Amino acid sequence: GQQVMQIPQYQHVQEGEDFTTYCNSSTTLSNIQWYKQRPGGHPVFLIQLVKSGEVKKQKRLTFQFGEAKKNSSLHITATQTTDVGTYFCAGPGGSQGNLIFGKGTKLSVKP
Amino acid sequence: DTEVTQTPKHLVMGMTNKKSLKCEQHMGHRAMYWYKQKAKKPPELMFVYSYEKLSINESVPSRFSPECPNSSLLNLHLHALQPEDSALYLCASRQDLFGLAKGEQYFGPGTRLTVT
Repeated sequence: GQQVMQIPQYQHVQEGEDFTTYCNSSTTLSNIQWYKQRPGGHPVFLIQLVKSGEVKKQKRLTFQFGEAKKNSSLHITATQTTDVGTYFCAGPGGSQGNLIFGKGTKLSVKP
Repeated sequence: DTEVTQTPKHLVMGMTNKKSLKCEQHMGHRAMYWYKQKAKKPPELMFVYSYEKLSINESVPSRFSPECPNSSLLNLHLHALQPEDSALYLCASRQDLFGLAKGEQYFGPGTRLTVT
């Protein structure tokens, strides 16, 4: 079945450093979504990318969708302690809008 | 109102108990989902309801029984669970305009279930 691979699994950074997580699929994705889950919390939608080569920014977060629509990345500039959590990418799992989640990247930020 | 609510927040049950998890949304979303999430793992799809009809069952054991009484409510009935079923159970909803499969999912806070 379709899989979405995500790396790295863990990332430890010093506050102020940048952070990037990457997702790859073996098949072309119609769209990719990103979610953030804080420790003890639930996934919260961040963004959806649909177009080939699309780049979207939300303050310090930059999301990219590859030209072939098989990979995506999330980059955080100058991390803050509030960025702590697990970031998941998710690709479409079928016609019912269900999602296939990557394994997630757990970000910890040292003040 | 962009909130999905779930009750209870925590549940401890024995292997012979019967319990139910409840999920509610008032956003007019017509697609609703149950996910299971183990520690340090991504959410894993269990069931999908579309317009109150079960459309996907991801080969979930029959000790989990979903129910969608109306477009705002989703229940998950639990019976004779095993300790390995202990996990965070997440409900999510999605606006399903014109049957399009795109669109973000709104997750509830989850029910943390422990089976003893």
